Amino acid sequence: AQKITQTQPGMFVQEKEAVTLDCTYDTSDPSYGLFWYKQPSSGEMIFLIYQGSYDQQNATEGRYSLNFQKARKSANLVISASQLGDSAMYFCAMREGRNGANSKLTFGKGITLSVRP
Amino acid sequence: DAGVTQSPTHLIKTRGQQVTLRCSPKSGHDTVSWYQQALGQGPQFIFQYYEEEERQRGNFPDRFSGHQFPNYSSELNVNALLLGDSALYLCASSRGGTRPYNEQFFGPGTRLTVL
Repeated sequence: AQKITQTQPGMFVQEKEAVTLDCTYDTSDPSYGLFWYKQPSSGEMIFLIYQGSYDQQNATEGRYSLNFQKARKSANLVISASQLGDSAMYFCAMREGRNGANSKLTFGKGITLSVRP
Repeated sequence: DAGVTQSPTHLIKTRGQQVTLRCSPKSGHDTVSWYQQALGQGPQFIFQYYEEEERQRGNFPDRFSGHQFPNYSSELNVNALLLGDSALYLCASSRGGTRPYNEQFFGPGTRLTVL
């Protein structure tokens, strides 16, 4: 079974509006971390936000927030006040295990976001 | 503070050849991971180096090998190149140890084309 599932087709959002990018995950490990990365056309993966499985509150980083629903195994990224520069591929990723030595990331297939002026 | 750097940026090889990609981690980082990203896909983990040893390995054949140097920089070697090895190769660095998570910083990648 896929560990990270991103099934949305290309997403479009109007500038200054909010958008939610979906991510579901599958793991039997009680300790894990969830990450969102942005990849513009240049190719570099840019870290956006992190959520730990034991974190009590949803993570926020500026315009980015993570809607973490543990029971549903979902970790959706919310981008508020979209900007033209937000147009990119967005990847959800997971690291399993509490030990930092196991820091391999498993990525989803990504979602393309296009922001319209 | 320099981030993760990779060289070369682009590379074109023919089938059967060998290639070496290089990565310098972010300052203060001692762990390097390599990922392969095929066109339109998410990155796939190849392997990770910590303290000059391969610590974890993904589902890649032995044609893929690596090395980490005392200054924490790393090389990825691919032998007997196949057309399917054409991809963006990403290097990520992080701090080792037993922190509950390791934020990984990625480099700009090396785009390898195999003809």
